Amino acid sequence: KAGVTQTPRYLIKTRGQQVTLSCSPISGHRSVSWYQQTPGQGLQFLFEYFSETQRNKGNFPGRFSGRQFSNSRSEMNVSTLELGDSALYLCASSSYGTGGYEQYFGPGTRLTVT
Amino acid sequence: GESVGLHLPTLSVQEGDNSIINCAYSNSASDYFIWYKQESGKGPQFIIDIRSNMDKRQGQRVTVLLNKTVKHLSLQIAATQPGDSAVYFCAENGGYQKVTFGTGTKLQVIP
Repeated sequence: KAGVTQTPRYLIKTRGQQVTLSCSPISGHRSVSWYQQTPGQGLQFLFEYFSETQRNKGNFPGRFSGRQFSNSRSEMNVSTLELGDSALYLCASSSYGTGGYEQYFGPGTRLTVT
Repeated sequence: GESVGLHLPTLSVQEGDNSIINCAYSNSASDYFIWYKQESGKGPQFIIDIRSNMDKRQGQRVTVLLNKTVKHLSLQIAATQPGDSAVYFCAENGGYQKVTFGTGTKLQVIP
C-alpha cells in the first residue's frame, strides 16, 4: 500500500505570495490532518478534514486554509506569506471515522519564505 | 517577540540498554495517547498508542505506561539499538484527530 505523499517536497516563496500544498492520503483513508512543524513552536495542529468537511481547526490565522476533495486528496493554502510561515508542513491520514485512530504521516513539504 | 528554537531534551543511552522517555500531558479529557518517532528528514512515525482506560500497553520492544493521576506518559524501549536514534514525541488526541504534540525528546544511542 502506498504511503502518504506530499507535493512539492521543497518550496521557496517570497513574503506576500500565496502557496498551495498538496497531500494524497493512503488509499481508503478519509481523514486528513495538517500540521506545521517549526524549531520554535514544535508540531502544531492546523486542521482536519473528513469526507470533504473540516471537522477541527487549530489556532492559526485565517490565512491558513484547506480543503478536501471527493477522492480524499487534500490541499492547504497559505495566503499573504510571512517569514514566520517558514516551516515543515506535514500531512497525516487515518481511517478515523471508519474505524482507526492511527495517523500515518507524509514526508512533509519544506516551505521557506524569504 | 524574538523566536527562540526549542531546546530538545536529549537522552543518551548505550546500545543494548533500556531507554525511558517521559512526557507530561495537559488535557485530562484526552482519551487517546500516542508515541511517535521522527527521524531526520522524515515525518513522524507511529510507534504505539494507549487509551485512557488502560495504564500499560506493550508492543515489540516498546512499552507505554499511562498515569492519569499525574497526567504522565512514558515510553520504554528495550535493548536500544542504533536505529532507535531519533526524536520521540508523545501526543494526545483530543477528538477528531486534533492531536497535540509534546516538545519531543532526542534519543542518542551510543554504539
